[in-house]
Amino acid sequence: EAQVTQNPRYLITVTGKKLTVTCSQNMNHEYMSWYRQDPGLGLRQIYYSMNVEVTDKGDVPEGYKVSRKEKRNFPLILESPSPNQTSLYFCASSLAHLNTEAFFGQGTRLTVV
Amino acid sequence: GQQVMQIPQYQHVQEGEDFTTYCNSSTTLSNIQWYKQRPGGHPVFLIQLVKSGEVKKQKRLTFQFGEAKKNSSLHITATQTTDVGTYFCAGPKAGGTSYGKLTFGQGTILTVHP
Repeated sequence: EAQVTQNPRYLITVTGKKLTVTCSQNMNHEYMSWYRQDPGLGLRQIYYSMNVEVTDKGDVPEGYKVSRKEKRNFPLILESPSPNQTSLYFCASSLAHLNTEAFFGQGTRLTVV
Repeated sequence: GQQVMQIPQYQHVQEGEDFTTYCNSSTTLSNIQWYKQRPGGHPVFLIQLVKSGEVKKQKRLTFQFGEAKKNSSLHITATQTTDVGTYFCAGPKAGGTSYGKLTFGQGTILTVHP
């Protein structure tokens, strides 16, 4: 089954404790991206990757890191989480950037206390 | 930077009434995509429009892309309770140096009362 898998689905952590949210897709998609969803703000792009070893900042990259060592995986790293990073996070992938639909993961609800 | 505004933010309708959400971009878009997110779920792709002035239909849903490729609309005829959710538009900016960025609108939350 074609899918985008995120882990964990739920996470409560403390300020400053490094964490990684994993994202994996099995569709051989080139383009992957991370979004955060906050009430009233819609989906805001954090980082995206056009292909392996090619990543770039989205609209809200501060406090986040990503890597794309393999085509299927695109982890999101929070080196020192802060409470303002409490949010619902979605990973998405698409065959190519333009003119192709994005497939979203199930989401990761992160709470930083 | 590019901004994509969506209105209204909320819409409450009685089942059977029509519903429209509007999407306006500050820059010309290469294409416009629409997604639906059910409560507690993840966004799911509905459709993509590419051409200026394009109109597409999916059963009770009608999607339009403006002539200037800066605005779009989604119209649902005779809403049903299964239409409940948040509708997002999204588009990559045409040209420029921000190739790769996809900007979403804030979404319209649709509630349908039976």
